[in-house]
Amino acid sequence: GAVVSQHPSWVICKSGTSVKIECRSLDFQATTMFWYRQFPKQSLMLMATSNEGSKATYEQGVEKDKFLINHASLTLSTLTVTSAHPEDSSFYICSAALDTSRGRGNEQFFGPGTRLTVL
Amino acid sequence: QKEVEQDPGPLSVPEGAIVSLNCTYSNSAFQYFMWYRQYSRKGPELLMYTYSSGNKEDGRFTAQVDKSSKYISLFIRDSQPSDSATYLCAMSATGGTSYGKLTFGQGTILTVHP
Repeated sequence: GAVVSQHPSWVICKSGTSVKIECRSLDFQATTMFWYRQFPKQSLMLMATSNEGSKATYEQGVEKDKFLINHASLTLSTLTVTSAHPEDSSFYICSAALDTSRGRGNEQFFGPGTRLTVL
Repeated sequence: QKEVEQDPGPLSVPEGAIVSLNCTYSNSAFQYFMWYRQYSRKGPELLMYTYSSGNKEDGRFTAQVDKSSKYISLFIRDSQPSDSATYLCAMSATGGTSYGKLTFGQGTILTVHP
């Protein structure tokens, strides 16, 4: 159980275009999902917290107009990188948290990640 | 100073060895402690989840938390080449009945050679 998928697994795009990444919880409902960014040989950096039916909460320094997050349902959150530039090239990973009613609200399960390359 | 410090390694051990991975932290509010394993170009996989101080064992893995020293450890017994990966510690001040923001260590690269 607790499987999270991401699509696509990798994407190459031209500078100036927008890219959408999907994150799905396959066998559980996730009221809250998280989006991370990871540079080579570095740890995960939290970008934003995505809440179903409400606006995402962005971490300091993350441009909300550039990284658009939509949490349309209890099993789907999307991250859109708008007007992508080469410096946006990175590994983007989402996670979903288990149900807080079971006292496991910060037990996060991660997707396989999406490698974005902007030319 | 980073909130969570983790030696990035790399750490190389022979098959069958006991591996010790560690993290220190500065935020005394952290109460929930996790270890994740991440293979190259994959998302992190949750290995161990502990609350407050103490030990937790799961198969070949043992997690220890010493809140008085702000120090956590992960031990891997009878290490296998398939254990070769990056190990990340993560911590949270809240959780349980609320969603907690995780703070990650840098990750330790482990190689177990046959």
